[in-house]
Amino acid sequence: AQTVTQSQPEMSVQEAETVTLSCTYDTSENNYYLFWYKQPPSRQMILVIRQEAYKQQNATENRFSVNFQKAAKSFSLKISDSQLGDTAMYFCAFMNPPANAGKSTFGDGTTLTVKP
Amino acid sequence: DVKVTQSSRYLVKRTGEKVFLECVQDMDHENMFWYRQDPGLGLRLIYFSYDVKMKEKGDIPEGYSVSREKKERFSLILESASTNQTSMYLCASSHRKVTTGELFFGEGSRLTVL
Repeated sequence: AQTVTQSQPEMSVQEAETVTLSCTYDTSENNYYLFWYKQPPSRQMILVIRQEAYKQQNATENRFSVNFQKAAKSFSLKISDSQLGDTAMYFCAFMNPPANAGKSTFGDGTTLTVKP
Repeated sequence: DVKVTQSSRYLVKRTGEKVFLECVQDMDHENMFWYRQDPGLGLRLIYFSYDVKMKEKGDIPEGYSVSREKKERFSLILESASTNQTSMYLCASSHRKVTTGELFFGEGSRLTVL
């Protein structure tokens, strides 16, 4: 079974600074998908960014980027120019293909607070 | 926009009561999921369904059942609620014909069992 580990239960960052959230996973599969989801306080969880394991290039979505190290089974999320609206719980998730199956394994989450 | 709607944001029930948590999605998604979210434990999969009248057990199905009579609706049932089922319950859906793997979540139902 796959496991996903987020070793930082809580983090904080000053507005406009950069922060990196860590995620490691364990799998024997070669093809898979990795995700970062964001859950703002009292609001629904949404996808931040995704990475397909066969792609070597790190995914980027505006201020959000990942550092995907397949050999190390590491998938960290970097948030640049942090904004107050980035305050949320962030979950790292792993999915075996086929992607249309949708069945994901989640980490325990990291609560990020952006301070003004 | 994809919308996943959970019928109740907050519920308070008594031990032994039967509890229904309803989830409806409006984007014709084939896949639907029920997760339980607890502090320090992340999200754990309870049940999922890939089609109408189809269901599969997730990682923690004990004490729960589900129903999927229509494609857009996936219900989670607690036959006899217990205090250890006090939790946040999240419904999610995804499109079987789209290979991004993205899950779309509802706002959650926070259940307290007294």
